[in-house]
Amino acid sequence: KAGVTQTPRYLIKTRGQQVTLSCSPISGHRSVSWYQQTPGQGLQFLFEYFSETQRNKGNFPGRFSGRQFSNSRSEMNVSTLELGDSALYLCATRQDSNYGYTFGSGTRLTVV
Amino acid sequence: AQRVTQPEKLLSVFKGAPVELKCNYSYSGSPELFWYVQYSRQRLQLLLRHISRESIKGFTADLNKGETSFHLKKPFAQEEDSAMYYCALSGLNNNDMRFGAGTRLTVKP
Repeated sequence: KAGVTQTPRYLIKTRGQQVTLSCSPISGHRSVSWYQQTPGQGLQFLFEYFSETQRNKGNFPGRFSGRQFSNSRSEMNVSTLELGDSALYLCATRQDSNYGYTFGSGTRLTVV
Repeated sequence: AQRVTQPEKLLSVFKGAPVELKCNYSYSGSPELFWYVQYSRQRLQLLLRHISRESIKGFTADLNKGETSFHLKKPFAQEEDSAMYYCALSGLNNNDMRFGAGTRLTVKP
């Protein structure tokens, strides 16, 4: 079966711009979580969606938002980009709690 | 609050030697613990879950609630085990999974 698909793979944006990242989960996976990965901070939890509802949110400013569609696909949006937002953004999906995640390859965002 | 600590950023062993990657956690409820692995140029992938009590690629991990630990062990390391390993915790009724900082394991020939 197809894996978790994240698009785009790479993005370069300018400070102050906004960006939207997309994640298509494995069929049957209704839980979608987003993580920010940086060399200094490791994997930081952004938020988790299940059945179009945000169930949990990490400690990120309101500039980071997300949503999930009825087909379980999810998008995350970052507005007013800052240099510090440069990171690898990972999407992870699973059937539900208590299952392990399947990760996408990530979107590498560079803010200049 | 849930927290996962992996005290070793780097760990190096020789091929054939035993390896133990440490993971300690803090969580007030019933934890679900996982180990993930990332090989060079590959996606992060699930290695094992404590609830499954399985051995994957020769690795095992036992949940020790008294010591709040979930160390990953393998009796005889192989060069192909060289990778980044992350310990992660999710609550039984908590839907976000928190990761440790990771341990880079290098198995030398």
